[in-house]
Amino acid sequence: GENVEQHPSTLSVQEGDSAVIKCTYSDSASNYFPWYKQELGKRPQLIIDIRSNVGEKKDQRIAVTLNKTAKHFSLHITETQPEDSAVYFCAAPSNFGNEKLTFGTGTRLTIIP
Amino acid sequence: DSGVTQTPKHLITATGQRVTLRCSPRSGDLSVYWYQQSLDQGLQFLIQYYNGEERAKGNILERFSAQQFPDLHSELNLSSLELGDSALYFCASSPQHGNTEAFFGQGTRLTVV
Repeated sequence: GENVEQHPSTLSVQEGDSAVIKCTYSDSASNYFPWYKQELGKRPQLIIDIRSNVGEKKDQRIAVTLNKTAKHFSLHITETQPEDSAVYFCAAPSNFGNEKLTFGTGTRLTIIP
Repeated sequence: DSGVTQTPKHLITATGQRVTLRCSPRSGDLSVYWYQQSLDQGLQFLIQYYNGEERAKGNILERFSAQQFPDLHSELNLSSLELGDSALYFCASSPQHGNTEAFFGQGTRLTVV
């Protein structure tokens, strides 16, 4: 089955700086890579996703890059703001035909004012 | 509001008891996932159903079981509860399998005393 590794587990950055979170996956058949944000006590919510036919996708201050050869993808947050403080999870589908969505272990991002 | 409804929101029960958590997916979604999130931990995949059939299974304990009914709502049954089962249980739904966005419910916080 799919194995998704996420690093770092915690990350503190100064407000206005950039943050990068990386994930690696094992199933070469995976073709969909979402990132979820979970604020304290709330449900995870999708913030950006990418499919395997593109290498990068941007949405305002958030971007995701994908390297299918190396089987890793990264979340980039620029010009960080206090409201970016949360736990971020990457995920990748696995099992036959991209069935089960497997999540990374999460990164707790803290933005220092 | 994600459109995924979980009940109850909170549940406090004693060790050895049995509880049932309920999930109503978004209208039209065929796939339902159950995840367990212990304090400050990641999202542990338990089980997935697609259109009434079990499609993928994670590290779900034998004391736990689930099913998806013809109207596509799902129930997670936890029996012989132990203190370590205390966690936030999330249900998520998606239109297809793991290669599309999963929408999470608000979760059921289970406390075993």
